[in-house]
Amino acid sequence: QIQLVQSGPEVRKSGASVKVSCKTSGFLFVGYGFSWVRQAPGQGLEWVGWISGYSGKTNYSEKFQDRVTLTMHTTTNTVYLEMTRLRSDDTAIYYCAREGDFEVGSGWAHYLDYWGPGTLVTVSS
Amino acid sequence: EIVLTQSPVTLSLSQGDRATLSCRASQSITTSLAWYQKKPGQAPKLLIYGASSRATGVPARFSASGSGTDFTLSISSLEPEDFAVYFCQQRSNWPQSTFGQGTTLEIK
Repeated sequence: QIQLVQSGPEVRKSGASVKVSCKTSGFLFVGYGFSWVRQAPGQGLEWVGWISGYSGKTNYSEKFQDRVTLTMHTTTNTVYLEMTRLRSDDTAIYYCAREGDFEVGSGWAHYLDYWGPGTLVTVSS
Repeated sequence: EIVLTQSPVTLSLSQGDRATLSCRASQSITTSLAWYQKKPGQAPKLLIYGASSRATGVPARFSASGSGTDFTLSISSLEPEDFAVYFCQQRSNWPQSTFGQGTTLEIK
């Protein structure tokens, strides 16, 4: 079965960095892209960025462009999110999600069909 | 950046009622829209993709419509497990994406 297993909770001080992992199984990793989405306490969902499982090509929300790096390893079917210069408002649950392929009209589109359980990152000042 | 505005912020209804949730985009996104259900302590769940297609396993009481800038998610007869937060997401400029701020569907 399809699984996305994320690393455990992290606590960091302001200004530090954190790296969260998302190990996938049950499907062909290189055939899909992956998005990272976060949810701060009491807030909505916020898209952070995307990485191709095939090429490692990335695309980031402008908000996180200079602080987030997404990487992947095809040998372990794992994607990673690294965030630097952490601030207290980065405290959130960080989710990885697979970008599934959906036939729409005459083409294909990508939506988030399988999600990891989330990783709580707490940033204290 | 394409902004999605959901309304209402909170919807208070009873089991068996019909729910209608709205999502408006700041510019046309054709039908590049999804709806997700989010419950506390759980990851979001994909309900609708391509503005109107139900994802695998989603009950038929969930339906959605819209194109361009105005989209609607309807739940025909609310079940207890439907009370949750609902988010819309646009993929018009994939892989970029944005989410709406969410609508909380609560028990009246």
